[in-house]
Amino acid sequence: GNSVTQMEGPVTLSEEAFLTINCTYTATGYPSLFWYVQYPGEGLQLLLKATKADDKGSNKGFEATYRKETTSFHLEKGSVQVSDSAVYFCALSYSGGGADGLTFGKGTHLIIQP
Amino acid sequence: NAGVTQTPKFQVLKTGQSMTLQCAQDMNHEYMSWYRQDPGMGLRLIHYSVGAGITDQGEVPNGYNVSRSTTEDFPLRLLSAAPSQTSVYFCASSLYSTESYEQYFGPGTRLTVT
Repeated sequence: GNSVTQMEGPVTLSEEAFLTINCTYTATGYPSLFWYVQYPGEGLQLLLKATKADDKGSNKGFEATYRKETTSFHLEKGSVQVSDSAVYFCALSYSGGGADGLTFGKGTHLIIQP
Repeated sequence: NAGVTQTPKFQVLKTGQSMTLQCAQDMNHEYMSWYRQDPGMGLRLIHYSVGAGITDQGEVPNGYNVSRSTTEDFPLRLLSAAPSQTSVYFCASSLYSTESYEQYFGPGTRLTVT
């Protein structure tokens, strides 16, 4: 079946540090890939997405590139802020129509210290 | 637009009790789904629906029932609650499309079964 593996957390960084959260996936065919963010006490929000190989998704200074050769979709940000503290989920959708829902990784808790 | 709404926000049940978690969306989305979020497990799909009158099982459907009589509403029923169903439940909705899609999540219901 499909699966998503993300680095374990929590990840603690200082403000303005460079961020990388690793994500790899197992799936047949060509899934779409997503990063969702969950702020404390809230539901998930889509952060960025990529629908085919070599696509780069970007939003709010975050970016991730769909690498089919390494089955990866690592999340990066050049300079993190305290407000980026949240839980980040990597996810895939194998069915473009959404019928199968999203397959999520376990989430990475990011803590940014001032 | 209110987006995706869920009620209640918090609920405590005793083992064997039944209840319904409510979910509604006002975006005219065809696709709706229920996930549960458990520590260290990410989000797992319980049930989903691609339109009124059509539902199907996700990864962890046991102990839960759903129905979809309208486009707007997608309630989740626990017929006989068990402590293993203690979790945070999220409802999500999206347009049903062959293109990559974004799921919109509700704020969640935190359920404790004692």
